[in-house]
Amino acid sequence: KQEVTQIPAALSVPEGENLVLNCSFTDSAIYNLQWFRQDPGKGLTSLLLIQSSQREQTSGRLNASLDKSSGRSTLYIAASQPGDSATYLCAVSPSGSARQLTFGSGTQLTVLP
Amino acid sequence: GAGVSQSPRYKVAKRGQDVALRCDPISGHVSLFWYQQALGQGPEFLTYFQNEAQLDKSGLPSDRFFAERPEGSVSTLKIQRTQQEDSAVYLCASSTWDRYTDTQYFGPGTRLTVL
Repeated sequence: KQEVTQIPAALSVPEGENLVLNCSFTDSAIYNLQWFRQDPGKGLTSLLLIQSSQREQTSGRLNASLDKSSGRSTLYIAASQPGDSATYLCAVSPSGSARQLTFGSGTQLTVLP
Repeated sequence: GAGVSQSPRYKVAKRGQDVALRCDPISGHVSLFWYQQALGQGPEFLTYFQNEAQLDKSGLPSDRFFAERPEGSVSTLKIQRTQQEDSAVYLCASSTWDRYTDTQYFGPGTRLTVL
């Protein structure tokens, strides 16, 4: 059974810092990996999707990398802002016909002004 | 509407009551997913529809949970004889059939509290 772990569970940084969120998964047979953002009381917003054949994806100040063989992904946030404060969730989609996502427990990020 | 909508947003039920949670996916999205999110945890998969066909219900925790999507659009998740451990946020997501590009688009969720 796929298990996804995110470290750290919570992170508080001053505005302007660059930071890295970590995600690891136990089964490397994945179709893709996604990073989501969740704001309190709201649904999930997809930030980046990395196919299993890709190594990284970038969107603005966000960069996500994937090392499928070692079961790891990192989300890099450059020049953090208070508006980045949210919970960040990593999720993997299995290879094969199954479509459901397996999520980590998330990293709760607070960016202090 | 442009996004996935869910209703009600909040539901309080007494233990033993039946509840029904509704999901309106993005128009034209053939895939629909239900997830359960406990406090402080990531979402956990419950069930998946492709059009009106329920292709995977392996995540449903008990036979008290039932989901349907009779016309391949709106879906309802029903929980019978609710228990306190059913308290959670129930998230619905939809996506296109193209798996290579598919991102699951999530609704705001229904927060269920069972007293």
